[in-house]
Amino acid sequence: GQQVMQIPQYQHVQEGEDFTTYCNSSTTLSNIQWYKQRPGGHPVFLIQLVKSGEVKKQKRLTFQFGEAKKNSSLHITATQTTDVGTYFCANYGGSQGNLIFGKGTKLSVKP
Amino acid sequence: DTGVSQNPRHKITKRGQNVTFRCDPISEHNRLYWYRQTLGQGPEFLTYFQNEAQLEKSRLLSDRFSAERPKGSFSTLEIQRTEQGDSAMYLCASSFGARNYEQYFGPGTRLTVT
Repeated sequence: GQQVMQIPQYQHVQEGEDFTTYCNSSTTLSNIQWYKQRPGGHPVFLIQLVKSGEVKKQKRLTFQFGEAKKNSSLHITATQTTDVGTYFCANYGGSQGNLIFGKGTKLSVKP
Repeated sequence: DTGVSQNPRHKITKRGQNVTFRCDPISEHNRLYWYRQTLGQGPEFLTYFQNEAQLEKSRLLSDRFSAERPKGSFSTLEIQRTEQGDSAMYLCASSFGARNYEQYFGPGTRLTVT
């Protein structure tokens, strides 16, 4: 499968600061999905990127897919305490299609 | 509630015992996935079904693990002769259609093997 690496592993920010997590692959990705998992919760789908150079926005969240389709980023503007959780990127790998998740970036926000 | 449901939510068992988990996907979803998640890690793929057919299994899935989806609706995951290393959160997810669709996750079953 196509392994994805995420950095950083942890990020601690003051409320109101921005946050970015990066997802990198050594091979070209067909697509990338982003999920959020709140503490004690389960992963919840945020978005899917498919096209080279694609940029999508959801309120304070901006998602990008690199031109070479080997990396992606999630940027949160002016973090809030509700943004706390672990953000995972994932890619469909395998011969038939199963998601391969990165290890995630755990975001904590200090009020 | 029309989301993915899993039962039980928690299971504590002694090493060597068998356990079975159930997943009820969103009704119109034809694909059902099982993942395992340990602390500080992302979900690891175990197996998935399209309707009642089991299409792919991870090499993580030892012979002690078996999954079924008999009528293309709910699914069960059985672990035989549990080991302490099986302790983890077992997540079920479902999706509609072919690959590249978003997956909807259930709340998970937390297994503790003592």
